[in-house]
Amino acid sequence: DIQMTQSPASLSASLEEIVTITCQASQDIGNWLAWYQQKPGKSPQLLIYDATSLADGVPSRFSGSRSGTQYSLKISRLQVEDIGSYYCQQAHSNPPTFGGGTKLELK
Amino acid sequence: QVQLKESGPGLVQPSQTLSLTCTVSGFSLTSNSVSWVRQPPGKGLEWMGAIWSGGSTDYNSALKSRLSISRDTSKSQVFLKMNSLQTEDTAIYFCTRSGVYDYYVMDAWGQGASVTVSS
Repeated sequence: DIQMTQSPASLSASLEEIVTITCQASQDIGNWLAWYQQKPGKSPQLLIYDATSLADGVPSRFSGSRSGTQYSLKISRLQVEDIGSYYCQQAHSNPPTFGGGTKLELK
Repeated sequence: QVQLKESGPGLVQPSQTLSLTCTVSGFSLTSNSVSWVRQPPGKGLEWMGAIWSGGSTDYNSALKSRLSISRDTSKSQVFLKMNSLQTEDTAIYFCTRSGVYDYYVMDAWGQGASVTVSS
């Protein structure tokens, strides 16, 4: 199985701050990478697919990038509604696997 | 409006079989796929398997021997059955729509069904 190593595991940031979460794939997955946001007590929601494409309805302050087998999710100006956990997921091959998650809190 | 809703027993005894139903609306099971994902309490996400729009299935090899996914397109329902449950199968079970963007990208999620395995 492809391993997805996500960092940091937890993150504390201030409103309007730039936040970056990274994910390292154990092998080449091309652009087959998605990001999800999970607010406390809720189900995950798709943010980014194909490494850089914004899902419908997702605010433009979210963006994704790729450098080799390292992927990043950036929140350009943190808002209170962005608090929660974030997961990367490789969509390259069965089984699709998730990173361990990043818990984002307000400082 | 795309919706998915899981239903099933909240408590299952060890060694017994879990049966969950996902009822969907706002899309057709013959045009879209449904995947199941679970999340143990306080932990991360695990993809379990999927039933594709054509009716074929795909399973996580870690669960394949215990897992079965099927559907009734006339009722817009997808079924998950997993046998030989153990305490480590305690989790929230989500059904999701997949295949709109990529096969394994899940663009809509149900609210989740909490399942506890305990005697």
